[in-house]
Amino acid sequence: EVQLVQSGTEVKKPGESLKISCKGSGYIFSTYWIAWMRQMPGKGLEWMGIIYPGDSDTRYSPSFQGQVTISADKSINTAYLQWSSLKASDTAMYYCARRGYCSSASCHRNIGSLFWFDPWGQGTLVTVSS
Amino acid sequence: QSVLTQPPSVSAAPGQKVTISCSGSSSNIGNNYVSWYQQLPGTAPKLLFYENNKRPSGIPDRFSASKSGTSATLGITGLQTGDEADYYCGTWDNSLNEGVFGGGTKLTVL
Repeated sequence: EVQLVQSGTEVKKPGESLKISCKGSGYIFSTYWIAWMRQMPGKGLEWMGIIYPGDSDTRYSPSFQGQVTISADKSINTAYLQWSSLKASDTAMYYCARRGYCSSASCHRNIGSLFWFDPWGQGTLVTVSS
Repeated sequence: QSVLTQPPSVSAAPGQKVTISCSGSSSNIGNNYVSWYQQLPGTAPKLLFYENNKRPSGIPDRFSASKSGTSATLGITGLQTGDEADYYCGTWDNSLNEGVFGGGTKLTVL
């Protein structure tokens, strides 16, 4: 079974750093892009960025560029999302999700050509409060 | 304000049919594939459709999806109480150079 399992709930103070994880299993982790999405309380989904664990090629939404860092360690089938200095406005549920498989080189690096995600991790709730 | 526009809510009785619209522009839906997701209360989103109208295995054929021009539509027939969820459309925006989702539509089965 293809599965993404995320790390647990985090409660942090403003200014603290944080790194959450997303571990894949049931498939060759290094051959699928992994995306991160944010869902603020009571709100919709926002696409944050995406990484290819095979070579760590990473793309960010302009809205999140410079605000977070996405990374991956293919040796342990894990992707990460990290903050260096959290703000109260970072309070949200964060989901990782696997991008659909690209069989061609043109599709592989062109994120927009194949923009769908399955499966999703169970989510990591991050609460930032003083 | 989401780039893709969905109605905030829709409702219908059990057994009835409902449609959910997703309106965009030439920079997103007009030139890219659309996907749809179901988010049951307290759970992670689940893929319902990819590439406009392709249904992953395990998704009942009560669910349908289509795209025309700069809009997409999700349809659900034979509504069940278990279909109560938030539904999201998603695609890539060539002008913004990022992925975009609709604001979500809450389905209530009365």
